[in-house]
Amino acid sequence: AQSVSQHNHHVILSEAASLELGCNYSYGGTVNLFWYVQYPGQHLQLLLKYFSGDPLVKGIKGFEAEFIKSKFSFNLRKPSVQWSDTAEYFCAVTDGGATNKLIFGTGTLLAVQP
Amino acid sequence: DTAVSQTPKYLVTQMGNDKSIKCEQNLGHDTMYWYKQDSKKFLKIMFSYNNKELIINETVPNRFSPKSPDKAHLNLHINSLELGDSAVYFCASSQDFRSSGFSFGPGTRLTVT
Repeated sequence: AQSVSQHNHHVILSEAASLELGCNYSYGGTVNLFWYVQYPGQHLQLLLKYFSGDPLVKGIKGFEAEFIKSKFSFNLRKPSVQWSDTAEYFCAVTDGGATNKLIFGTGTLLAVQP
Repeated sequence: DTAVSQTPKYLVTQMGNDKSIKCEQNLGHDTMYWYKQDSKKFLKIMFSYNNKELIINETVPNRFSPKSPDKAHLNLHINSLELGDSAVYFCASSQDFRSSGFSFGPGTRLTVT
């Protein structure tokens, strides 16, 4: 079965610091990868997604992610974080089957200190 | 316009009660989902319907019963509520997820006392 690992459970950064959140998945076939963000008390919003093509994907709010097939990774990056980036970040992958089930990682809580 | 809406936003109820959460999407998507987010923020799929037909049914107690009267609606009914059912329940929908991804509703925070 597909699984998604996010090794950083809680990250604390100062404003303007660079961010990299790790995400690894277990499936060896064709994958569709996503990063979602959940601001405090709000619903999930799509940051970016990767299906094929250029492995460096640019999303909203200055975020980007790089798909490295050999490492089964899809890490999220932002060169300079802001206080407003404080949120929970979820990596997710579809299972590649007909049901398009979206499987989430355990999430990383990012706290940005002003 | 709200793409995926859920009602109610908050639900506080006692153990043993039966309650329902409603979800509606106006995106014209064929597939709808229910996800449960526990106290540790972990999100897990519960059910999925495609054009009113159940296609995913994860290991969920049979006290939980989804119902899809049409492809724009997916409701979740929970019988004999237990303390462990306390969570945030998110509805989602998708069509061609390669172009539009999955759209999530605002969530329903269920508290069982």
